[in-house]
Amino acid sequence: DTAVSQTPKYLVTQMGNDKSIKCEQNLGHDTMYWYKQDSKKFLKIMFSYNNKELIINETVPNRFSPKSPDKAHLNLHINSLELGDSAVYFCASRPERGTDTQYFGPGTRLTVL
Amino acid sequence: GQNIDQPTEMTATEGAIVQINCTYQTSGFNGLFWYQQHAGEAPTFLSYNVLDGLEEKGRFSSFLSRSKGYSYLLLKELQMKDSASYLCAVEGWGKLQFGAGTQVVVTP
Repeated sequence: DTAVSQTPKYLVTQMGNDKSIKCEQNLGHDTMYWYKQDSKKFLKIMFSYNNKELIINETVPNRFSPKSPDKAHLNLHINSLELGDSAVYFCASRPERGTDTQYFGPGTRLTVL
Repeated sequence: GQNIDQPTEMTATEGAIVQINCTYQTSGFNGLFWYQQHAGEAPTFLSYNVLDGLEEKGRFSSFLSRSKGYSYLLLKELQMKDSASYLCAVEGWGKLQFGAGTQVVVTP
């Protein structure tokens, strides 16, 4: 059973395009996240949602817009893609409280040409 | 904010022990996590420390000293499959901030 899934796994696109990445979790968790891992492997938080409400919004360009239609889904839409957006994007989920860790999806490798 | 430092790379031989250190500066500390990440894969949870002391889980142990802002991950009886990046992550104010990771290379 897949706990946290993302689609697509790979995404290659031209500069200036708009693209979306989808994330779903079947763990019943309340909180979901988007992370960006760049070419230097540095994993950095972008957004966090709790029960469809945005609770963390790091200094991310407003070309990035997360959307949570329900607490099991958190999608990421990126407008006007730039070369620097090339990275691996990980979705993660976590129960609201407690010491439980975050569970990561398999990642989406985005390449902007 | 949070600053997290860990070595970039460590090499050890199969069967040996390796200790990966992590130092951090943070406000609102709510725990320290260690993750393992193989190339091209997602991070997977290894350990969690919120109180001072040692947590042992099989071949892996993690230690925390909150007063020193210091943690280490100890990998014993190294196996080839342990070759991976090990990420130290500190939670504060609801956010998990990651270090840049330590690439561990296990040689025969």
